[in-house]
Amino acid sequence: KQEVTQIPAALSVPEGENLVLNCSFTDSAIYNLQWFRQDPGKGLTSLLLIQSSQREQTSGRLNASLDKSSGRSTLYIAASQPGDSATYLCAATPFSGGYQKVTFGTGTKLQVIP
Amino acid sequence: DTEVTQTPKHLVMGMTNKKSLKCEQHMGHRAMYWYKQKAKKPPELMFVYSYEKLSINESVPSRFSPECPNSSLLNLHLHALQPEDSALYLCASSGRSEGRETQYFGPGTRLLVL
Repeated sequence: KQEVTQIPAALSVPEGENLVLNCSFTDSAIYNLQWFRQDPGKGLTSLLLIQSSQREQTSGRLNASLDKSSGRSTLYIAASQPGDSATYLCAATPFSGGYQKVTFGTGTKLQVIP
Repeated sequence: DTEVTQTPKHLVMGMTNKKSLKCEQHMGHRAMYWYKQKAKKPPELMFVYSYEKLSINESVPSRFSPECPNSSLLNLHLHALQPEDSALYLCASSGRSEGRETQYFGPGTRLLVL
């Protein structure tokens, strides 16, 4: 059974810092690894999706990497802003079962202090 | 259009009420999902409709009843709920986009059972 862990559970940084969020998974047979942002009481906003054959994806100040051999993905946020404050979830989708078997991490709650 | 819409945004109901949550997508996706998310927890899959075929998470109580009238619509009928069913209910759909399978989430319905 896939297990997805995110460390740290919470993170507080001053505005302008570069930061890294970590996601670990136990089963490397994944179809993709997705990073989401969730604001309090709101739905999930997809940030970046890395296919199994890819090593990284970039969007603006965000960069996500994937290392299946070590079972890790990282989300790098450059020049953090107060608007980045949210909970960040990673999710691993397996080849077998697809999105019916997606496993979410428990999230990292990020606070960027002005 | 990569949008999944959900109504209502908020719902308060008593334990004897019957209500329905609605979800809609017009991306031509043939798989739609209901998730339940409690505070500070990751989303948990409740139901999946894939090509109008229902898959059930057997731990979901029968007071939750999904319905898929057509490939664009997904309902969740609620009856005789308990206070512990209070949560954020997320709808999602998945399908091929730019050559890869992608899942999109709606904004959620925040449910409070009194």
